[in-house]
Amino acid sequence: EAGVTQSPTHLIKTRGQQATLRCSPISGHTSVYWYQQALGLGLQFLLWYDEGEERNRGNFPPRFSGRQFPNYSSELNVNALELEDSALYLCASSLGTAPYNEQFFGPGTRLTVL
Amino acid sequence: DAKTTQPNSMESNEEEPVHLPCNHSTISGTDYIHWYRQLPSQGPEYVIHGLTSNVNNRMASLAIAEDRKSSTLILHRATLRDAAVYYCILRDRRAGNNRKLIWGLGTSLAVNP
Repeated sequence: EAGVTQSPTHLIKTRGQQATLRCSPISGHTSVYWYQQALGLGLQFLLWYDEGEERNRGNFPPRFSGRQFPNYSSELNVNALELEDSALYLCASSLGTAPYNEQFFGPGTRLTVL
Repeated sequence: DAKTTQPNSMESNEEEPVHLPCNHSTISGTDYIHWYRQLPSQGPEYVIHGLTSNVNNRMASLAIAEDRKSSTLILHRATLRDAAVYYCILRDRRAGNNRKLIWGLGTSLAVNP
């Protein structure tokens, strides 16, 4: 069974541009989570989607947004990129919203803002 | 939002047991305790979770204090592959709850051959 996939693997943008990151969850998983991991730091929770709806949002500005499609895949958009947005962006999926369900992580998208 | 506190780093020798502590003094009665680990250059992977009772699986054991304000992840025999950052996080068991998922910095475990 295929795991969580993310694309692209690497993304290089300049300050002020927009970035779009994509995530495909494990088949049958309805919940998708987005995290930011800056170099040397822990995971910072960004967004949580389930059944197409935003369920929760971390402490990030509105220029970080996303959506979940009917096939449960998800997209993270970062507008007006800033240098400090450079980080590894991780997507995870889980089977529903129950808190005992483990999250399965993808390999991440490395975003570099120049 | 409940937070967890972990030591920044720990060190162990191969084949020896490792006890990774986590403090969660503000845990609520509805929080599950989860542990994940992140190997170098990889996304995190699930290790174990529990609510009140101690738990065992093929990867590790989780010992939960009686008052639930702390827990310990136990690796019975550390291997070089266990070198990773270990995260202890809390997840509210109330379905659909909107509590934020707080991961913290985790504990970086080094395993010496």
